[in-house]
Amino acid sequence: AQSVTQLGSHVSVSEGALVLLRCNYSSSVPPYLFWYVQYPNQGLQLLLKYTSAATLVKGINGFEAEFKKSETSFHLTKPSAHMSDAAEYFCAVSESGAGSYQLTFGKGTKLSVIP
Amino acid sequence: ETGVTQSPTHLIKTRGQQVTLRCSSQSGHNTVSWYQQALGQGPQFIFQYYREEENGRGNFPPRFSGLQFPNYSSELNVNALELDDSALYLCASSLEDSYEQYFGPGTRLTVT
Repeated sequence: AQSVTQLGSHVSVSEGALVLLRCNYSSSVPPYLFWYVQYPNQGLQLLLKYTSAATLVKGINGFEAEFKKSETSFHLTKPSAHMSDAAEYFCAVSESGAGSYQLTFGKGTKLSVIP
Repeated sequence: ETGVTQSPTHLIKTRGQQVTLRCSSQSGHNTVSWYQQALGQGPQFIFQYYREEENGRGNFPPRFSGLQFPNYSSELNVNALELDDSALYLCASSLEDSYEQYFGPGTRLTVT
């Protein structure tokens, strides 16, 4: 069975500071990994995905994540936080099971950006 | 290209009632997945539909059921509503055999 753990339910950073959101996963097969962002009262928007190609993945809005198999991690980073980055971020893992690529999500990390 | 749309946006129901939520998939997508997101939690997989049949189900009771129509749109039905069913219900569409899912804005269900 697959699972995702996001360390820190709430992270605060100053505007212009490094953003680091942590995600660890467990999976019985090589996983597909995702980061989604959710703004208040909205659905989920895909930030980036890992699908067994390059281990360093670049996404939208300046975010990137590195897949580290030995650490079973897929942490999300952004060099310089912007006020518009304030949102909730979800890490997710997917395995193909019986033909369905169901997503298993972490509990989310709420990012606050302090001006 | 039309994205994933869901209706209604908000809904208030009484415990014991039944509810139907609707989803139109992104143009060209033939697979629809439903997720429940309780307040302060990550989304949880309910089930997925492909070719009008259930193609995977999460840990949800049978009172959660669904349909997919020939145009790939989908419904989520919940019978005998309970207070704990209050949540944001998200629909996601994808192509068959694709891991990449595109989410709609969700339907906020409140059960009183």
